[in-house]
Amino acid sequence: GQSLEQPSEVTAVEGAIVQINCTYQTSGFYGLSWYQQHDGGAPTFLSYNALDGLEETGRFSSFLSRSDSYGYLLLQELQMKDSASYFCAVRANTGGFKTIFGAGTRLFVKA
Amino acid sequence: EPEVTQTPSHQVTQMGQEVILRCVPISNHLYFYWYRQILGQKVEFLVSFYNNEISEKSEIFDDQFSVERPDGSNFTLKIRSTKLEDSAMYFCASSRTTGGVTEAFFGQGTRLTVV
Repeated sequence: GQSLEQPSEVTAVEGAIVQINCTYQTSGFYGLSWYQQHDGGAPTFLSYNALDGLEETGRFSSFLSRSDSYGYLLLQELQMKDSASYFCAVRANTGGFKTIFGAGTRLFVKA
Repeated sequence: EPEVTQTPSHQVTQMGQEVILRCVPISNHLYFYWYRQILGQKVEFLVSFYNNEISEKSEIFDDQFSVERPDGSNFTLKIRSTKLEDSAMYFCASSRTTGGVTEAFFGQGTRLTVV
C-alpha cells in the first residue's frame, strides 16, 4: 500500500519561511504533489516533482529526493492568507494511476 | 478559467437511501477521480476513471459505490445504500494527463450528510 507522513501542525510568523516535510512509502512511484486547502474549500494544486531537486513557483518551492522517499514544501515571505492545510500527495501507478494524500499539515501564520 | 463543477453543494439523505453526486469535469480532461474527506481528516482516494472504465479504486470503494460517465460531460458517483459513516465531503477531480505534471483540478465538493 501507500503511506505518507507529514507533521500535523506548524505555526510561523508573517514574513518568515516555513518548511513542511513529507516522507512516503509506495510502489510504482511517479511523483509528489502539494496541495493547499483552506477551510471549507477544495484542494488546489501547488506543485509537482517527478525528478529529484527543487521546483520554484513564486513564494513556494518544492523539493524531492526519490532515493530518500522524501520531499518538502517551502513557503517564503509568509502571509496571513497562507494559513491553510497543506497536503503532500503521491502519484503512483499500481496497475492504474491514483493520487494518495497525506493527512495534511495545518499551517497557522501569526502576525 | 475552466473549472470542475459539482452538484449539489449539500445533500442530506436518510440512511439506506441511494444518492447520486454529479460532476462536470473540465472539458478536455481525460482522467476523472472521486475523493472524499471526512470532516477534519485527510483527503481519501476513492476511484479513478479513464476511457469509460475504472482505472483504479481504493478499499473504500466497495460494492455500494459505482461511477458512471453517462454522457460526454457528466461524471457521477452513486452510493446505493448510504450509511452514517458515508457522511463526508466528496470531491470530484479531473486531469488532462496521467503522467508528467499531474495537476488535478478539484471541484468545490458536495457535502453529504447521512441521517
